[in-house]
Amino acid sequence: QVQLQESGPGLVKPSQTLSLTCTVSGVSINRSTYYWTWIRQPAGKGLEWIGRIYLSGTTNYNPSLQTRVTMSLDTSKNQFSLRLDSVTAADTAIYYCARDPGYYYGRGPLEDWGQGTLVTVSA
Amino acid sequence: EIVLTQSPDTLSLSPGDRAALSCRASRSVNSNYIAWYQQKRGQAPRLLIFGSSRRATGIPDRFSVSGSGTDFTLAINRLEPEDFAVYYCQQYEASPRTFGPGTRVEIK
Repeated sequence: QVQLQESGPGLVKPSQTLSLTCTVSGVSINRSTYYWTWIRQPAGKGLEWIGRIYLSGTTNYNPSLQTRVTMSLDTSKNQFSLRLDSVTAADTAIYYCARDPGYYYGRGPLEDWGQGTLVTVSA
Repeated sequence: EIVLTQSPDTLSLSPGDRAALSCRASRSVNSNYIAWYQQKRGQAPRLLIFGSSRRATGIPDRFSVSGSGTDFTLAINRLEPEDFAVYYCQQYEASPRTFGPGTRVEIK
């Protein structure tokens, strides 16, 4: 059973960088063919796909965030990370990490999710 | 970007009723690349159905999907108390992946 757990600061100042880590258990990142994904959800609102990263380091980012987003893998710790630069209050949200199995030519639903972590952008 | 719209915004039903939730795409999507999620208050979304009616592990068969092209429907037969939640559709055919705004199924 794959489990994911987000971690990182719950408060970030405007214009600074949001950094989150997702720790994966139940599967080894460096042996899997999965796409490791970040999604966010502002309070009381819907879901926004931020992007994903594959074992090879290949990334796909949402164009709406592409200039500010960087994702990376740390296979030694079985973790993957999100970095979002120059944050504003509009980036305040619950951030989820998730696993996309990429069943169909790299396309897959989000089968496993972390519990989410709230990040507030405020001075 | 493929925009998904969901209707209605809120569905007020009683336990035992049948729910029909609609998801419409701004352009045609292969039904193999539509997924539905359930989210309860304070919880992460949970995958229900994907890839043309494949139910995720542990999802009962009272959940089913239909549709093609731009119009898709999630049906929930015989609503149970634990089914009252928000439901999102998602397309994973194209990047960026996108979600609908959700339909809330509430107790009447």
